[in-house]
Amino acid sequence: SAVISQKPSRDICQRGTSLTIQCQVDSQVTMMFWYRQQPGQSLTLIATANQGSEATYESGFVIDKFPISRPNLTFSTLTVSNMSPEDSSIYLCSVEVPGTSEAFFGQGTRLTVV
Amino acid sequence: AQSVTQLDSQVPVFEEAPVELRCNYSSSVSVYLFWYVQYPNQGLQLLLKYLSGSTLVESINGFEAEFNKSQTSFHLRKPSVHISDTAEYFCAVSPARGGYQKVTFGTGTKLQVIP
Repeated sequence: SAVISQKPSRDICQRGTSLTIQCQVDSQVTMMFWYRQQPGQSLTLIATANQGSEATYESGFVIDKFPISRPNLTFSTLTVSNMSPEDSSIYLCSVEVPGTSEAFFGQGTRLTVV
Repeated sequence: AQSVTQLDSQVPVFEEAPVELRCNYSSSVSVYLFWYVQYPNQGLQLLLKYLSGSTLVESINGFEAEFNKSQTSFHLRKPSVHISDTAEYFCAVSPARGGYQKVTFGTGTKLQVIP
């Protein structure tokens, strides 16, 4: 299994500012994933972050808006840039532990943009 | 491509009554199937999964789900719910191939257990 810590757990931000969300895993993992869960909707994959390479973004998400860092095998950050109220969501970090076919999730960051 | 449909956005049920949360999927390849649970203000936790073998899978807290390939379904059931089962439940699917494969989630079903 894997234990994932996300910070902050929630935040209220002014439009036009940026927020960086941190994700720390208690074991080394190759791939880390960032999801968005908008109110009343399902989880949507934003990007996949591999250590030592640029993140791979899903359709509809761009690096300028959601820059991601992956400096080592246990840590990643997601920045939500130039925020607008439409960015109000829960952002979730996830990892897959090799051999388990199971995704483990952090507790999420509940972001409100005002 | 793959997709997941959870037809019921909310399911109210009385305590100790049975419940079924429906999940249907579509995929052009063989799949793995998952149910995740999200308690209030928490992240997602895996409830149970089907990878291969027996089509009936069970969780440690009394939930079970049955993979039905002909009906492309993976409905979640519990014979008697508790207040503590109040949460949102997500069905998910991924291609059944080696290595990481993208997981697609349904829109979720909020289970509300009424005392």
